This record gives sequence, C-alpha cells and structure tokens, in this order.
Amino acid sequence: NAGVTQTPKFQVLKTGQSMTLQCAQDMNHEYMSWYRQDPGMGLRLIHYSVGAGITDQGEVPNGYNVSRSTTEDFPLRLLSAAPSQTSVYFCASSFDGNPRTQYFGPGTRLTVL
Amino acid sequence: KQEVTQIPAALSVPEGENLVLNCSFTDSAIYNLQWFRQDPGKGLTSLLLIQSSQREQTSGRLNASLDKSSGRSTLYIAASQPGDSATYLCAVLLYSGGGADGLTFGKGTHLIIQP
Repeated sequence: NAGVTQTPKFQVLKTGQSMTLQCAQDMNHEYMSWYRQDPGMGLRLIHYSVGAGITDQGEVPNGYNVSRSTTEDFPLRLLSAAPSQTSVYFCASSFDGNPRTQYFGPGTRLTVL
Repeated sequence: KQEVTQIPAALSVPEGENLVLNCSFTDSAIYNLQWFRQDPGKGLTSLLLIQSSQREQTSGRLNASLDKSSGRSTLYIAASQPGDSATYLCAVLLYSGGGADGLTFGKGTHLIIQP
C-alpha cells in the first residue's frame, strides 16, 4: 500500500512551458485534491474532485487544469507556466465519508524561470 | 471565507517541557479539524483528527481539543523531545451543502525543542 504518490519530486520549467504533475493513490479514496504551499501563505486549495468525472475549483484555480478519469489518478496540468506558479505542490486524498482524514503525498517542488 | 490562525508562529522550548499550540478559525460550520506535522522539505503527516461532534482526541503524548462554538483548538504536547521539532499545521474542513470542500490551513507553528 503506497498511499499517495506524486511525480516528479522536482521540476524546473521555463515561462510558457506546459507540464503535468502526477498524483495517484491506491486506497480507493473518492476525494482527491491539490494544494500549493508558498512561504508566508500557507497551503491553499487549487482544485478538488469527489469522484471520477467530477472536479471543482478551490481557492486558487487560475492557470491550472484537472481531470479525473479514474478513481486512482488526479493529474494537475499547468497550461502555460508563469514564475508566480513557483511553489511546492501537494496532492491529498480521503474517503468521502466520516471521518474524512486527509492523506498527503510527498510533494512536487516546481520552479518556473 | 474561513480563516485559520495559529499562535504562536514560532516556539523554542527546552526538552521535557509540556507545551500548547493554539489554532482559531472564523467559521464554526466545520466538518472536522485536523492537526498535521511537517518536517523540512517533506510532506504532511496527519497527527490527530477531531470531528465536529467531538471535544478531544489523544494519541500518545499528543492531545487535541476542539471548542467549535468559540472557534478554537489546542494541540497539547507532553514531555517534549527534540524529535518533536517540526512545523505543526492546523486545518479545518468546511461543510458545504453538497458535502465537504477542501481544507483551510493555518500558517503553522514552527517548533524547536532544545536538547
């Protein structure tokens, strides 16, 4: 049972490039979400999904796209990277029922030059 | 909009002391409250989760309490050890009509336990 896995661990992009951050969980969790962590700002919700085919926006969704074609995977796409997207990105998952304990992946550190 | 505040932002104490970390939130319509630990450069490890109907949870030397009506939670660490040094994050899960949304986090308390 690997829990929540994220790839890559580190990534450097140039402004305007696109990329996909991968997130997978093997716990059969319905709920998955993406957060970014910035110094002085804490963790903020980007997008979340309550099941395959269902996604919704969080607090800071601009510049990011998500889709949920399977229960296990929830990729985050940066369409045209900007320096403001330099951050550490965390994926999380939980069952969609009590107690809704959130389990986090190890994170992806992204730098946009 | 839900806001979560953690006090103090940083704390340094000698080994063996008991200590309390504070968390407050503005919207009492929460689903649950979760305390996490984050080590430098690492992900988040869940320590304790308190559901909205509960008053406290305990795990080993950790005890978390919840007073939903006043919008407060505390994390009590007994007999602190150098290995407890980390950043502690408080997060609330807000209940919405269609179910629970994402977590709202505080900015954390950076804890250093001096040997």
